[in-house]
Amino acid sequence: DVKVTQSSRYLVKRTGEKVFLECVQDMDHENMFWYRQDPGLGLRLIYFSYDVKMKEKGDIPEGYSVSREKKERFSLILESASTNQTSMYLCASSLPINAVNSPLHFGNGTRLTVT
Amino acid sequence: QQPVQSPQAVILREGEDAVINCSSSKALYSVHWYRQKHGEAPVFLMILLKGGEQKGHDKISASFNEKKQQSSLYLTASQLSYSGTYFCGTEESGGFKTIFGAGTRLFVKA
Repeated sequence: DVKVTQSSRYLVKRTGEKVFLECVQDMDHENMFWYRQDPGLGLRLIYFSYDVKMKEKGDIPEGYSVSREKKERFSLILESASTNQTSMYLCASSLPINAVNSPLHFGNGTRLTVT
Repeated sequence: QQPVQSPQAVILREGEDAVINCSSSKALYSVHWYRQKHGEAPVFLMILLKGGEQKGHDKISASFNEKKQQSSLYLTASQLSYSGTYFCGTEESGGFKTIFGAGTRLFVKA
């Protein structure tokens, strides 16, 4: 069974802090994603990566950056946290798009509160 | 651009049927459906690839009309365990990413 592990379930940070959210998957998936989930807005894509050291902006990348130094690990970085980044953050992984039946496997999420 | 889901919310009694719709303005390669229960991660239900196929398991099935860029999720004879938020996710041809709709909250009561 695919396992996607996010390092923290709950996180409280102060405005202006640099925040790291870590995600590790154990199924050798090429693709990894970071989404944020807010009520009424669904899951919005922040960044994704289709290979080591490769990254692409999603729909809402402002205020975020990512790092993928190893295939199994994808980190989301908030350079200077702000209160409007308070949200649930979900990491996911998948096989490449051209693989048959390539669903996303999600981690349990990190609920970040910025005060 | 996010696909549009409808309805936003639906309340059912056990045994009733429901349809959740998902539409996109983009040419799609595939459509995914996920269910998320409160406090949990979204769980994959099924994926439909372009070709207009219909898939299903148990009492949950889905269709994909690639010409209209629309997909529908059909829940028949709903059970209490069907309660949750349903998301459709779309992938465009030649793309790597899955974009999700805002979700449909479904509540099944006894």
